[in-house]
Amino acid sequence: NAGVTQTPKFRVLKTGQSMTLLCAQDMNHEYMYWYRQDPGMGLRLIHYSVGEGTTAKGEVPDGYNVSRLKKQNFLLGLESAAPSQTSVYFCASRLVPRGPQHFGDGTRLSIL
Amino acid sequence: SQQGEEDPQALSIQEGENATMNCSYKTSINNLQWYRQNSGRGLVHLILIRSNEREKHSGRLRVTLDTSKKSSSLLITASRAADTASYFCATSPNTGNQFYFGTGTSLTVIP
Repeated sequence: NAGVTQTPKFRVLKTGQSMTLLCAQDMNHEYMYWYRQDPGMGLRLIHYSVGEGTTAKGEVPDGYNVSRLKKQNFLLGLESAAPSQTSVYFCASRLVPRGPQHFGDGTRLSIL
Repeated sequence: SQQGEEDPQALSIQEGENATMNCSYKTSINNLQWYRQNSGRGLVHLILIRSNEREKHSGRLRVTLDTSKKSSSLLITASRAADTASYFCATSPNTGNQFYFGTGTSLTVIP
């Protein structure tokens, strides 16, 4: 039982490049979330999904897109990477609307 | 921003001492949760306290909640070196599906 798996774990991009971060969970959770973590800022919600085929904006959605084509996967896309998007990205899932969240170990993204 | 704030930002104690960290938040909540994050890892859920609860225990953890002051505290008793980590509070509002994290307290337990 792997829980929440994020790939890749590390990535360096050049400004303007695009990439997709993958989050996969094997717990049959309906709710999935993408956060970014910056020093001194805690975690900030980028986008989230309340079920397969649904997505919604969080606190800091600009510059990101998401898709939830399958219940177990939640993809985060950067269309044109900017240095301000250098951060650690965390995916999380949960079973019930206000229950505990299960986190992956993060993707460390640097944009030069 | 609806982020909460935690106090202190950093805390250093000797092994065996108790550690207390506080969280303040801004909106009405359904529940408040505490998470631990070890360096380089994801967050791990520790404990959940509902808005109608005032205190909750789990092993060496004690959480209190004061909804009138919009604040919570996490007490770790008899700390161990393995407790060294960052601790975050997170609030789940009464409406919506979002979740708001505090800025975290970095705890160092010195052996």
